Amino acid sequence: DTVMTQSPDSLAVSLGERATLNCKSSQSVFFSSNNKNYLAWYQQKAGQPPKLLIYWASSRVSGVPDRFSGSGSGTDFTLTISNLQAEDVAVYYCQQYSSTLFTFGPGTKVDIK
Amino acid sequence: QVQLQESGPGLVKPSETLSLTCTVSGGSISSYYWSWIRQPPGKGLEWIGYISYSGSSTHNPSLKSRVTISVDTSKNQFSLKLTSVTAADTAVYYCARGWGLFDPFDLWGQGTLVTVSS
Repeated sequence: DTVMTQSPDSLAVSLGERATLNCKSSQSVFFSSNNKNYLAWYQQKAGQPPKLLIYWASSRVSGVPDRFSGSGSGTDFTLTISNLQAEDVAVYYCQQYSSTLFTFGPGTKVDIK
Repeated sequence: QVQLQESGPGLVKPSETLSLTCTVSGGSISSYYWSWIRQPPGKGLEWIGYISYSGSSTHNPSLKSRVTISVDTSKNQFSLKLTSVTAADTAVYYCARGWGLFDPFDLWGQGTLVTVSS
């Protein structure tokens, strides 16, 4: 299994500031055959299902604000929320889809300071 | 637009079988890969298994052989059966869509809470 870990468990950021969320995979999720990292980020607000934000580690889903950006390769990834807004309060999960045993990280909770 | 809706009993007794159905509306179930994912109250996400529109499936080995996922293309539905449930199976169960076998989940149902209790 590819184990996903996330840090920090939670963070509080002031409105308009930047939030940096980290995700590590126990095995590389990069495939040189197509130069892609099989890593996604989801946002889950209270009482709602997860929502896909980022796929292929850095591709933003259509309609997702450009203050959300993903980076990283191999085993280390980052989701950056620039200019944090009140509506960004949520739990954020990373997920690898490089094998057919899909696994999620434990999540990072983002709050307003 | 395409929507997913889970349905099934909200309460299941220990040792019995949990059965859920996901109905795909606004689009065809053909193409794509269809998954079940669960989330125990206050906890993280666990992928249960998937089925393709053609019927090929696999599931999380952690659930051993308790999982069966099937598809009914005539009804635009796919289903989950989880046998021999215990309190540890209490969770919100989501159905979700993947574009392909190695793709993220771009569309999710609202989820349904299943409680295992006598």
